[in-house]
Amino acid sequence: GQQVMQIPQYQHVQEGEDFTTYCNSSTTLSNIQWYKQRPGGHPVFLIQLVKSGEVKKQKRLTFQFGEAKKNSSLHITATQTTDVGTYFCAGIKGNQFYFGTGTSLTVIP
Amino acid sequence: NAGVTQTPKFQVLKTGQSMTLQCAQDMNHNSMYWYRQDPGMGLRLIYYSASEGTTDKGEVPNGYNVSRLNKREFSLRLESAAPSQTSVYFCASRVGISGNTIYFGEGSWLTVV
Repeated sequence: GQQVMQIPQYQHVQEGEDFTTYCNSSTTLSNIQWYKQRPGGHPVFLIQLVKSGEVKKQKRLTFQFGEAKKNSSLHITATQTTDVGTYFCAGIKGNQFYFGTGTSLTVIP
Repeated sequence: NAGVTQTPKFQVLKTGQSMTLQCAQDMNHNSMYWYRQDPGMGLRLIYYSASEGTTDKGEVPNGYNVSRLNKREFSLRLESAAPSQTSVYFCASRVGISGNTIYFGEGSWLTVV
């Protein structure tokens, strides 16, 4: 069946360091989305990538979609304490969303 | 604009009890979903409803039933709660089949003792 793996599961960084989480699908995806969930909160949409090789930026966040549309990454430059939370990728195929297991980011002040 | 509203927010059940989690969205979305979230497991789809009048099983449907009451409401029922169903449950909705954003409710924390 469809699987979306995400690594690492946990990441602790010093404030100001960079952070990257990776998402890999067992099959080709139509689109991929990224969500952020603050501690105790609910997932909130960040961005959607559609095209092969697509790169999008949101301030300090850079999102990439692989050429084969089977992997994606989220990179945060110079982390801040407000970046704390769990980041999920979601691979989309038809009407199904396949969420990765998430990467929990802790930022140490 | 409330978005996706789910109730209750917290619930403690005894093993064998039944309960229904309610979800309503006011965004006129066609598709609605129920997920459970457990530590290290991410978000796992329980059931979804692609449109009013239809429901389909997701990845982990055992022990649950759903009802798409109308376009706005999608409820999740636990007929005989088990400790393995202790989890955080999220209802979500989206416009329809086109890769649009999923909007999540705030979650329901369920503990089965």
